[in-house]
Amino acid sequence: DAKTTQPNSMESNEEEPVHLPCNHSTISGTDYIHWYRQLPSQGPEYVIHGLTSNVNNRMASLAIAEDRKSSTLILHRATLRDAAVYYCILRGFYGGSQGNLIFGKGTKLSVKP
Amino acid sequence: GAGVSQSPSNKVTEKGKDVELRCDPISGHTALYWYRQSLGQGLEFLIYFQGNSAPDKSGLPSDRFSAERTGGSVSTLTIQRTQQEDSAVYLCASSSAGEKYYGYTFGSGTRLTVV
Repeated sequence: DAKTTQPNSMESNEEEPVHLPCNHSTISGTDYIHWYRQLPSQGPEYVIHGLTSNVNNRMASLAIAEDRKSSTLILHRATLRDAAVYYCILRGFYGGSQGNLIFGKGTKLSVKP
Repeated sequence: GAGVSQSPSNKVTEKGKDVELRCDPISGHTALYWYRQSLGQGLEFLIYFQGNSAPDKSGLPSDRFSAERTGGSVSTLTIQRTQQEDSAVYLCASSSAGEKYYGYTFGSGTRLTVV
């Protein structure tokens, strides 16, 4: 699986938007971009995934660069509950690489009141 | 059930004993995954089941680790002759596949402590 690069940590103020970047310069054409987050003392939680087009759901938005070599997870209004480690993961949906997600170190997001 | 259920939630065992960890996936999910997370560390993939296909065991750290999935539903992860380095939170996840994929749903995990 292609690798992703994320900042180790980021800080945000409550009720402000947060943009979490992810670089994936070696992404292949069949790789989907997945985001998960892990709150303290909990298992990871699915946030969003996409292939080429920007995606929105109730939790967040995913902005994907035109060349697909980077993406940004957008939390529109950070709350204290959004403090977590955010993981950006590439996973082929079909073919030989379909299967397990490989979690990296992620970005630890702190939210200040 | 509504989510992925794991049992027990906590397990303390003596070094050298065998342990079994159970995972009940979401009904209808064809894929099931086991991960472990040591204190302060990232998630480590262990094993993956997809339908009736042979499981992907590439993440199992040693032959003391094995897993089964009976009837395409419940899974059991077995660790034989436990060692202190096996202490970790063991997480199970399940997902639909293909067009019905909406991400993995993780359970709350089993915290294993080997003393």
